[in-house]
Amino acid sequence: GESVGLHLPTLSVQEGDNSIINCAYSNSASDYFIWYKQESGKGPQFIIDIRSNMDKRQGQRVTVLLNKTVKHLSLQIAATQPGDSAVYFCAERFTGGGNKLTFGTGTQLKVEL
Amino acid sequence: KAGVTQTPRYLIKTRGQQVTLSCSPISGHRSVSWYQQTPGQGLQFLFEYFSETQRNKGNFPGRFSGRQFSNSRSEMNVSTLELGDSALYLCASSLGKGLAVLDTQYFGPGTRLTVL
Repeated sequence: GESVGLHLPTLSVQEGDNSIINCAYSNSASDYFIWYKQESGKGPQFIIDIRSNMDKRQGQRVTVLLNKTVKHLSLQIAATQPGDSAVYFCAERFTGGGNKLTFGTGTQLKVEL
Repeated sequence: KAGVTQTPRYLIKTRGQQVTLSCSPISGHRSVSWYQQTPGQGLQFLFEYFSETQRNKGNFPGRFSGRQFSNSRSEMNVSTLELGDSALYLCASSLGKGLAVLDTQYFGPGTRLTVL
């Protein structure tokens, strides 16, 4: 498959455990945040988003937490499965900036059986 | 609905040549954005088109350009290719409700460009 990044931080978890992927964002004016998952050879796939007027949002097996005080975002994946193995990116956007997304460097999640 | 499609998927060019990449957004989506992905720089925003107009631009040289057609399909062009232009070029589409509205971007599979 294709490598989407070299020297990425790697998180290794056992199948069935919970995963927490962290991200520090850069712009205090950003008010919309998104998590994407990218598998080898594919484009980023939308997972979940959160607006800055929220501090938590839940989806199916995923939860995003936002801490604006320290400009930190996290993605929690419950009961991690082998199919969750991928690179995860956080992205930020600010209203009025059109659709320009600024991406983090990404985290490689490896699920061990 | 069909997802975002990009053609070609793979492309090999030599330095100095130019290249045109194509993107067809999800039906009903009016905004198309382009990103460059490299191992060294990660994902970087190139530009965004909405209703055939560029409304946002990243920090790339003028060799990178794009356009959008009335059916929302978009093309990007890179002229005078350099080795450093080797990358995965990703297109993303969204409804494009307006500058002040937050809408989700959906990505295509990308075009892998190799410059020799």
